[in-house]
Amino acid sequence: QLRESGPGLVKPSETLSLNCTVSGGSVSTYFWSWIRHPAGREMEWIGRVFHSGTTKYNPSLKSRVSMSIDTSNNIFSLKLTSVTAADTAVYHCARSLYEPPDTFDIWGQGTGVIVSS
Amino acid sequence: DIQMTQSPSTLSASIGDRVTLTCRASETISHYLAWYQQKPGKAPKLLIYKTSSLESGVPSRFSGSGSGTEFTLTISSLQPDDFATYYCQQYDSGSGTFGRGTKVEVK
Repeated sequence: QLRESGPGLVKPSETLSLNCTVSGGSVSTYFWSWIRHPAGREMEWIGRVFHSGTTKYNPSLKSRVSMSIDTSNNIFSLKLTSVTAADTAVYHCARSLYEPPDTFDIWGQGTGVIVSS
Repeated sequence: DIQMTQSPSTLSASIGDRVTLTCRASETISHYLAWYQQKPGKAPKLLIYKTSSLESGVPSRFSGSGSGTEFTLTISSLQPDDFATYYCQQYDSGSGTFGRGTKVEVK
């Protein structure tokens, strides 16, 4: 199971920080991604982290995104800097068996983030 | 990135109906097309991968087909648990892109 956590409200220009806790399995295998879903729009893959710490990001967000992984605590994290209202969305963490682009076979239920002052 | 267009955006149907959802890609993709089911407040669930392969545990009333730019998800006999929103995803290239979804609602 995957469970997202983090603040539901972030001010414009600040940094959005989310964690994904993995239970019932280990982050030391497979690829771990963040995907966001703005209301009424398509889901968007943000990026992925591998257990070694290597990352790959969506080019459209690359300049503002960083991801990390804590294999000891089975958690991986997302940071998105300089947020604007356009970053308001439900953020999901998800697993893929292979390097993205790939399918996501396990997802968290998502956490809503609103960017507003 | 490849754009994925799903139609219809909403589909009204009854229990037992045969339901077909369509997903069109803005350019030709290989067979790397997946379908997900999502219910409000829940995690998306992978139903089909590689256009027509059923994910483990998914009922056989779900099937996928298609090629090139046009793909379909068919539910052979709609069940109460199937009322949900369905998303397609191409994972052939780029960042992998999703459609905006088709909501299957009670008629």
